[in-house]
Amino acid sequence: GAGVSQSPSNKVTEKGKDVELRCDPISGHTALYWYRQSLGQGLEFLIYFQGNSAPDKSGLPSDRFSAERTGGSVSTLTIQRTQQEDSAVYLCASSLARGASYEQYFGPGTRLTVT
Amino acid sequence: EDKVVQSPLSLVVHEGDTVTLNCSYEVTNFRSLLWYKQEKKAPTFLFMLTSSGIEKKSGRLSSILDKKELFSILNITATQTGDSAVYLCAVGTSLNYGGSQGNLIFGKGTKLSVKP
Repeated sequence: GAGVSQSPSNKVTEKGKDVELRCDPISGHTALYWYRQSLGQGLEFLIYFQGNSAPDKSGLPSDRFSAERTGGSVSTLTIQRTQQEDSAVYLCASSLARGASYEQYFGPGTRLTVT
Repeated sequence: EDKVVQSPLSLVVHEGDTVTLNCSYEVTNFRSLLWYKQEKKAPTFLFMLTSSGIEKKSGRLSSILDKKELFSILNITATQTGDSAVYLCAVGTSLNYGGSQGNLIFGKGTKLSVKP
């Protein structure tokens, strides 16, 4: 079966532009997570979805960040008016269900570079 | 504030050596501890530990959790160059309490380099 997929794999954008990152989770996984990994840092939690709803948006670093999930499957993370500090690898993960008893499976990530 | 600390931050060994990676944590309402291997971008799942003292093994890798002392170790025996990667430790908390609400809290990782 296919794993978690993300697109694009790399994105270079100019400061001030909007970007959309896509995540396609493992089929049947109801929980979906977005993380950010900056150079030399651990993974920073951004947001999670249970089905289509996102009860926990506490990790989003600013109101320029938003995410949605439709049909309980594909999710998009949107960053508006990108800044250089947004440069990072954005990782998506999915798990069978919500909660720390279920291992999360990660996609290959999108490397975002803001120039 | 919940935190996960890994040590060492980086490690260089030669093929055939045995290494021990450390992960200590301070979290509210611990539920599980996970180890991941990250070679390029995607972390790949290695182990999930929920009970103290029960060793999990997979080939040359093994891990154990001590919930009293709040740490876990990941052992790799007879290391190979293919073991070179960043090893991430993450801790999950219970859903029904405050704090991270079941999210995974990651350490910064240990970068392992295995020389031929």
